[in-house]
Amino acid sequence: DAGITQSPRHKVTETGTPVTLRCHQTENHRYMYWYRQDPGHGLRLIHYSYGVKDTDKGEVSDGYSVSRSKTEDFLLTLESATSSQTSVYFCAISESGRNGQYFGPGTRLTVT
Amino acid sequence: AQRVTQPEKLLSVFKGAPVELKCNYSYSGSPELFWYVQYSRQRLQLLLRHISRESIKGFTADLNKGETSFHLKKPFAQEEDSAMYYCALVNQAGTALIFGKGTTLSVSS
Repeated sequence: DAGITQSPRHKVTETGTPVTLRCHQTENHRYMYWYRQDPGHGLRLIHYSYGVKDTDKGEVSDGYSVSRSKTEDFLLTLESATSSQTSVYFCAISESGRNGQYFGPGTRLTVT
Repeated sequence: AQRVTQPEKLLSVFKGAPVELKCNYSYSGSPELFWYVQYSRQRLQLLLRHISRESIKGFTADLNKGETSFHLKKPFAQEEDSAMYYCALVNQAGTALIFGKGTTLSVSS
C-alpha cells in the first residue's frame, strides 16, 4: 500500500460538534482527495487539493471544509456535525489528476 | 456531462463461471478509465487502468468507444473475487476521478 494513513480510524461524535479528520501521506504526491462512501451512493468527492493551500470543491462539499498547509497533510473538518454525515471517509492521493489514486484505510464516523 | 454508470448493484455467480461487470460512461473526447476493487471493510485498491492494457488477478477490461463501455471481465470466477468493484473516469479538467456507484460481486461455491 502507498504510504497513506488516516486518523482517527473510528469516531463517534454528537450532533453539532466540530470534527477534524486527518490524512497523512509519505509519497510526496501533489493531489489529495477526500471522499465519503455510503450504501447506494458509492464514492462521492467532497474536496480535493492540487497543492499546498490549493483546494477545490467536489460533488458534496456542503458542511465540510479542508486545509492543506503541508504537502503531506490534508485535513477535513465537519464544522457542525449532523447525522447525515455519518459515513465512511476515505482519503486518496495521486501524482496527477490523471493518474490512478491510492486510498487510505478509511475513517468510520458516526454522528449521534 | 461526465458520468459513470454501473447498472448492476449486485452480481452473483458460481465459482468457475465467467464474470462480466458492466461500466458505461459519458464523456467528450478520449476517456481515461480505471477499475478499483474493495474487499470487505478494506481500502480501495487500483485494479486496472485502461491505458496499460494489463491483466491483474485474471481480470481484463477493454475500452469500447463505440459503445462507451469499459466492462471488467474474468473467464473463471474464484471465491476470493467477492468484493465491491468501482469503475472510475478522469474528469474533463483532469483533476479528479468520477466514480460509479459500484457493483458487489458475490462468488459462491
